[in-house]
Formats: sequence, C-alpha cells, structure tokens
Amino acid sequence: QKEVEQNSGPLSVPEGAIASLNCTYSDRGSQSFFWYRQYSGKSPELIMFIYSNGDKEDGRFTAQLNKASQYVSLLIRDSQPSDSATYLCAGARNAGGTSYGKLTFGQGTILTVHP
Amino acid sequence: GAGVSQSPRYKVAKRGQDVALRCDPISGHVSLFWYQQALGQGPEFLTYFQNEAQLDKSGLPSDRFFAERPEGSVSTLKIQRTQQEDSAVYLCASSLASPSGGRGEQFFGPGTRLTVL
Repeated sequence: QKEVEQNSGPLSVPEGAIASLNCTYSDRGSQSFFWYRQYSGKSPELIMFIYSNGDKEDGRFTAQLNKASQYVSLLIRDSQPSDSATYLCAGARNAGGTSYGKLTFGQGTILTVHP
Repeated sequence: GAGVSQSPRYKVAKRGQDVALRCDPISGHVSLFWYQQALGQGPEFLTYFQNEAQLDKSGLPSDRFFAERPEGSVSTLKIQRTQQEDSAVYLCASSLASPSGGRGEQFFGPGTRLTVL
C-alpha cells in the first residue's frame, strides 16, 4: 500500500461543475498536506496547503483535511477547461511547528473539464 | 523574482554514461529537494539538503546516485553508469523552511527529462 493514495481517474466533469478530488494517507505522522497541479510536460505548481483539520478556502479551491479519517480532499468550484490537469496530493511530517521535510506524493488524479 | 531553475532541460545519455543535473533554487531558500518522476506517476523523493548539509538521502535508488550542495545554494545530482531504468524527469524543489521555522511550501523547477538509450 502506498503511503498516499489517489484515484488516478480520469475524472471528467462539465464546465461550471464542482470537481472533487480525494486522497487518503497511511502515515499518521503526516501533518501537512499539499495539493499541486501539473499540466502535461510541466512541473508541479502549488495550489493549496492545509495543516489543520477542517476546510480552507482560496478562491475557487477548497481543501479539506480530516486527520481522524486520514483523508484529504480538494474541491474545485466552477470548473474551467483550463483546470484540466493532473492533481497531486502530497503529505509531509512537521517539526517545530512547520513542515520542512520531504513530500510523499500520491500517483495523481487526471482531471478533464469539458466545455 | 526568479523561480527554481534546472539545467539541462533535456538530456539523452547512452547506457553507462555519467550525467550531472544542476539545480538553482530560489534565492534565500534554505531547503532543497530532489525528486524523480516516472511517466504517469507522482514525484518520488530522492534526497534533501538544508543549506549545505545533506540531511536525508534515503530515496536515492542506488550508490550510482550522488547529490551535493557544497555552498548551500546550487545543487548537482550526479548519476553514474546510467541505466535505462534511470529514464525519468528529475525535479528540484526549494523552500524557506527549516526545523527552526519558515514556510514549508516547496516550489518546483521545470525538471530535467533524462532519457537513457
């Protein structure tokens, strides 16, 4: 079992819909979580990070973390064709109140937003 | 400001050749990471530097892989006697964070695509 698991998809949603991307993790020592977007042939781009249980919103993006269930999600509202990409979930351990160590990535979920 | 830069962007090597991949992190970033990304997979951790100290090299797949960051800025990942299974994209990331604090978000460079024939 991989430490971070994602449904590889592909996930297809119509333009304007909500895309829901999910991630589970097995390492209870992971305390910080990151969502990266990766366009084909490009490097990962940070979208959101979340450290505390609950929801965190930034524009059209909402990250959710449930440490008891070891579950992280990313919601994309009003999905646009430009959101079509691979979304990578990653976890990291903390020390001294901050995350500074390696990221453990899931395999990524391919999202397609069709007009 | 400038982001993380990597060179070369593409490298083709014959099996058995040595290669060196370079990473220039964001200025002032204490932490530097190397990851390997196979096609269709998420990045896999290789090694981590805090300034010039290599604090974690647990992800290096064999003793053919070697990384250094002698002055705490630019880093080089060297692969000796390349094999076909080394073909992948090698990503470098940097962050401000250290155990004493700072933001932990990692910012990635464009990567080097290595193809071993």
